[in-house]
Amino acid sequence: EAQVTQNPRYLITVTGKKLTVTCSQNMNHEYMSWYRQDPGLGLRQIYYSMNVEVTDKGDVPEGYKVSRKEKRNFPLILESPSPNQTSLYFCASSSTGGWTEAFFGQGTRLTVV
Amino acid sequence: ILNVEQSPQSLHVQEGDSTNFTCSFPSSNFYALHWYRWETAKSPEALFVMTLNGDEKKKGRISATLNTKEGYSYLYIKGSQPEDSATYLCARPSGGSYIPTFGRGTSLIVHP
Repeated sequence: EAQVTQNPRYLITVTGKKLTVTCSQNMNHEYMSWYRQDPGLGLRQIYYSMNVEVTDKGDVPEGYKVSRKEKRNFPLILESPSPNQTSLYFCASSSTGGWTEAFFGQGTRLTVV
Repeated sequence: ILNVEQSPQSLHVQEGDSTNFTCSFPSSNFYALHWYRWETAKSPEALFVMTLNGDEKKKGRISATLNTKEGYSYLYIKGSQPEDSATYLCARPSGGSYIPTFGRGTSLIVHP
């Protein structure tokens, strides 16, 4: 089954404790991206990747890192999480960027206390 | 930041009503417009990807039109059902990254 898998689904952590949210897709997609969703603000791009070892900042990249060492995986790293990073996070992938639909993971609800 | 605007922000209708909402976007450097349906506690799922001015797409009771010259798209739902209750998102990929930038969505609630 074609899918984008994120883990964990829920995470509560403390300020400053490094964490990684994993994202994996099995569709051989070139493009992957991370979004955060906050009430009233919609989905906002954090980082995106157009291929292995090619990543770039989206609209709200501060406090986040990513890597794309393999085509299927695109982890989101929070080196020192802060409460303002409490949010719902989605990973997405697509085969040809904006020309085709994006497939979304199940979402990760992160709470930083 | 690419501005994609959606209106209205929320909409309450009765079962059987037909409804529509709007997505506005910059018309310059356009190449695609996406519509997604996002149910509570689930992930957004694609409805349509539209690329051509004047394009019209249909999936069951849901249809969408596209005007790239003036920068807007309409989503129509005919005979709304309670299961149509969801947030409807539109997105326009930007020229640089080709990654979709999303509007804030229209929340539709269909009352039985």
